[in-house]
Amino acid sequence: GAVVSQHPSWVICKSGTSVKIECRSLDFQATTMFWYRQFPKQSLMLMATSNEGSKATYEQGVEKDKFLINHASLTLSTLTVTSAHPEDSSFYICSARDRGDRQVGQPQHFGDGTRLSIL
Amino acid sequence: RKEVEQDPGPFNVPEGATVAFNCTYSNSASQSFFWYRQDCRKEPKLLMSVYSSGNEDGRFTAQLNRASQYISLLIRDSKLSDSATYLCVVDVGGYQKVTFGTGTKLQVIP
Repeated sequence: GAVVSQHPSWVICKSGTSVKIECRSLDFQATTMFWYRQFPKQSLMLMATSNEGSKATYEQGVEKDKFLINHASLTLSTLTVTSAHPEDSSFYICSARDRGDRQVGQPQHFGDGTRLSIL
Repeated sequence: RKEVEQDPGPFNVPEGATVAFNCTYSNSASQSFFWYRQDCRKEPKLLMSVYSSGNEDGRFTAQLNRASQYISLLIRDSKLSDSATYLCVVDVGGYQKVTFGTGTKLQVIP
């Protein structure tokens, strides 16, 4: 089945540090990847839609200058949390759709998630 | 009204029991529906897609009611390993984006 690899799986760092998270589709090409954030006991909230070769589309309330997204190839999207603060501590998950899945009803494939803890 | 609503539970059921979850959605243009399972501190994993005619996968049955805008998940003969949070996922009016419900927590008790 389709595999999405997310790295790193766990990050602990000091306040003010910038953290980069990678999301790779290993056995398929993804023109679109999604970045979610999940706080404890809450649902996944879409942060942004990452489009290969173009700018990401951010959801309302998500600061694009703080959460930098780059989708330079069909298999890699990166999310950089710039100058992270404790309130950015969360579970960040990416997902991807196979570019060959053009039919409605095809599910997204999720990475393992990155647990970010800012001290 | 929230885009996707679920009863957060928890549903505590004994092994072998049958349990059902419902999920309502607000966008009548939605076309894709899924149930995902999420274990504690893990990423969501697709349990099953939900088709208009209803579909079954082993002990799991999913139904879609477009008129009332809800989907359901039925789990028969519950196992301890079914304990997890079940997330209802609905597309945003046919686009690639989806919205997650807050999840329903299931705890199967020995």
